[in-house]
Amino acid sequence: AQKITQTQPGMFVQEKEAVTLDCTYDTSDPSYGLFWYKQPSSGEMIFLIYQGSYDQQNATEGRYSLNFQKARKSANLVISASQLGDSAMYFCAMRESGSSASKIIFGSGTRLSIRP
Amino acid sequence: DVKVTQSSRYLVKRTGEKVFLECVQDMDHENMFWYRQDPGLGLRLIYFSYDVKMKEKGDIPEGYSVSREKKERFSLILESASTNQTSMYLCASRDPQGYEQYFGPGTRLTVT
Repeated sequence: AQKITQTQPGMFVQEKEAVTLDCTYDTSDPSYGLFWYKQPSSGEMIFLIYQGSYDQQNATEGRYSLNFQKARKSANLVISASQLGDSAMYFCAMRESGSSASKIIFGSGTRLSIRP
Repeated sequence: DVKVTQSSRYLVKRTGEKVFLECVQDMDHENMFWYRQDPGLGLRLIYFSYDVKMKEKGDIPEGYSVSREKKERFSLILESASTNQTSMYLCASRDPQGYEQYFGPGTRLTVT
């Protein structure tokens, strides 16, 4: 069965520093996708970045990059030059296969707090 | 812009009441999902639907049912609400050809 693990319930980081949020996953499906979502205190879920299992390069979106280590089943989110507005809950998620009926499962989340 | 709306942001119900949570999306997405979010547990999938009148159980379907009579609308039903169903409920939709899920604003349900 597929599983997502986020081992950091909370993190404090100084503004402008880079931060890495950990995510490991477990699946037996060779085709899968990995996601990161941000949830600010307002509650909405904001899609940040996506990595396909067959993508050769790590995904990047602005200040966000996904450090994809397939052999270790790891998909860490790296935020460069953190800002106060980055304070939020962050969720790692995975979808198995490309079927239209495939579901996405989420990890338990990491609460990131940026210190000024 | 994809829009997913949920009928209420906050809801308070009594134990034993039948509760309907409505979700509507305006992008003609075939896939729709209901999650509940609890501190320390992340988002857990309750039910999902990959087409009209089609549904599949997620990881925690007990105590819930769903209805999808029209493509744009996916309803979550609590037949007899209990206090352990107090939670944040999030609806999402997705184009099966795409990868991103679009979420609604959430409904915070309190059962007393």
